[in-house]
Amino acid sequence: DVKVTQSSRYLVKRTGEKVFLECVQDMDHENMFWYRQDPGLGLRLIYFSYDVKMKEKGDIPEGYSVSREKKERFSLILESASTNQTSMYLCAISPGQGTYEQYFGPGTRLTVT
Amino acid sequence: AQTVTQSQPEMSVQEAETVTLSCTYDTSENNYYLFWYKQPPSRQMILVIRQEAYKQQNATENRFSVNFQKAAKSFSLKISDSQLGDTAMYFCAFMKHNTDKLIFGTGTRLQVFP
Repeated sequence: DVKVTQSSRYLVKRTGEKVFLECVQDMDHENMFWYRQDPGLGLRLIYFSYDVKMKEKGDIPEGYSVSREKKERFSLILESASTNQTSMYLCAISPGQGTYEQYFGPGTRLTVT
Repeated sequence: AQTVTQSQPEMSVQEAETVTLSCTYDTSENNYYLFWYKQPPSRQMILVIRQEAYKQQNATENRFSVNFQKAAKSFSLKISDSQLGDTAMYFCAFMKHNTDKLIFGTGTRLQVFP
């Protein structure tokens, strides 16, 4: 079974704090993705990475950065959390190279107060 | 730019009945993939079914089947013999060929009643 784990299921942070969300996979897959999920908006891609130290902006990268120092770990960083970043954050992985299914983690529900 | 539209925010169905979830998309691409993902309450998102645009035959996975109308850019999901465990958010998604980026619709919340 594909295993994608996220560091926290629920997280509460204060405005202005630096926030790290971590995603770890055990499948040696090339691609890793960060999405945010909001009611009525579906899932929107924040950033993705197709290799170690490689990253590309998704549709809504503003206010976020990412880090991928090791193949199995992909971190999403909120440099200075704001209330409009309160959301569900989902990590996903895929093997790449023409294999198109994405496997999702359980999600982190982040509340910024 | 590609867009995916799910016009039914919520739907409900009685157990054992059949329900169809709608999805339309907009693209100028000819080669692409379409997906339905399921997100049960408090559980992980999983792939339900996938359709390659170059295939005319509609994809089927057990009780789940799609009606893919390429000219109309329509990709509906039919769930037959609905079960309580089918209660979930369902997302339609599009992926252009040779990319790994999914574009999601806004989702349809399906409730299956006993």
